[in-house]
Amino acid sequence: AQTVTQSQPEMSVQEAETVTLSCTYDTSESDYYLFWYKQPPSRQMILVIRQEAYKQQNATENRFSVNFQKAAKSFSLKISDSQLGDAAMYFCAYRGLDYKLSFGAGTTVTVRA
Amino acid sequence: EPEVTQTPSHQVTQMGQEVILRCVPISNHLYFYWYRQILGQKVEFLVSFYNNEISEKSEIFDDQFSVERPDGSNFTLKIRSTKLEDSAMYFCASWTADNSPLHFGNGTRLTVT
Repeated sequence: AQTVTQSQPEMSVQEAETVTLSCTYDTSESDYYLFWYKQPPSRQMILVIRQEAYKQQNATENRFSVNFQKAAKSFSLKISDSQLGDAAMYFCAYRGLDYKLSFGAGTTVTVRA
Repeated sequence: EPEVTQTPSHQVTQMGQEVILRCVPISNHLYFYWYRQILGQKVEFLVSFYNNEISEKSEIFDDQFSVERPDGSNFTLKIRSTKLEDSAMYFCASWTADNSPLHFGNGTRLTVT
């Protein structure tokens, strides 16, 4: 099974500032997908951004962008211009050839007004 | 946009009772999943279901658990004799088997007393 590691249990950011969440993963596969999910207090799982491993270009979605380093097996999420509504738990997830998602332990992001 | 629908949103049951958690996946999706999240912990894979049978299950998915797709729309998770440690958020997800992400329902919060 693939292992997804999020080494930051908690991160705090000032409103309008930038925060970067780290994620590393372990795999022997060459073709896979990586995702970041946001889980607000309602506990919904909301897709933030995804990256196909065969694409070298880093994915971006508005204020969210990733730094995908395939050789290093690293997939960090950058939240720019942080807003109060960004406060949530963020999960990094891997999907490989077995078609199931493996999640990291999550990072709780708090946004200071 | 089509959604994965889960009912009920919250279920309270007594230890030893059977519970059935219900999900209506997106209609043209082919793969169905159940995930579990104990409060404050990571999201864990339970089972995947394809072509009317279990394609993979985790070690958590023991004989107390079963899944069924009784008709063309519903996908259910049954816990035969609930234990206190089954208290968690249970997420259903479905997928078209292409490069799109899994679509998650809003979850069912199961509380075993």
